[in-house]
Amino acid sequence: GAGVSQSPRYKVTKRGQDVALRCDPISGHVSLYWYRQALGQGPEFLTNFNYEAQQDKSGLPNDRFSAERPEGSISTLTIQRTEQRDSAMYRCASSLVGDYEQYFGPGTRLTVT
Amino acid sequence: DAKTTQPPSMDCAEGRAANLPCNHSTISGNEYVYWYRQIHSQGPQYIIHGLKNNETNEMASLIITEDRKSSTLILPHATLRDTAVYYCIVRVGGTGGFKTIFGAGTRLFVKA
Repeated sequence: GAGVSQSPRYKVTKRGQDVALRCDPISGHVSLYWYRQALGQGPEFLTNFNYEAQQDKSGLPNDRFSAERPEGSISTLTIQRTEQRDSAMYRCASSLVGDYEQYFGPGTRLTVT
Repeated sequence: DAKTTQPPSMDCAEGRAANLPCNHSTISGNEYVYWYRQIHSQGPQYIIHGLKNNETNEMASLIITEDRKSSTLILPHATLRDTAVYYCIVRVGGTGGFKTIFGAGTRLFVKA
């Protein structure tokens, strides 16, 4: 079956622009996670959802970052007024409720120039 | 902050067992130990998890000490394709949707 998909795979944007990153989880997966990963480092938790409810957003760096999952399926991570320090790989993962295994998508490579 | 401590890197000869240690001295009673690995630029891949009993699957074995303060991931016959960064994570399991903290992991180099 289809895995977790993310779009776009690559995004280059100018400083100050807003970007929206999309995650389409595996069908039936209730839990969804967003991570950010800098080169050479482990994934950094940003936020997560159970169904449409955002459970923990303590990892979002500041109020320029927000995420939603309005219908409990596709999720969008939005970064407003992007800065160069936002450049990173943004990864999405999903899992079944009661399941322990997170399935990761291919990621979106964001470059802010 | 990560609740685990892992060595930054390890080497292993191809065909030999790779034993990757992890310390998690502050683990709580309802927290599980999970292992993931990340090969090159791919997304992390789940390997195995456990609560207090030793676990084995087709990929690896997980040995958890009786006091649960440390664990070891064992790849019984390492291949070149096992070269990756291995992450040990502790988190609450069960109903899903819990915050997951990856640390820096252990970079395993499997050499021919």
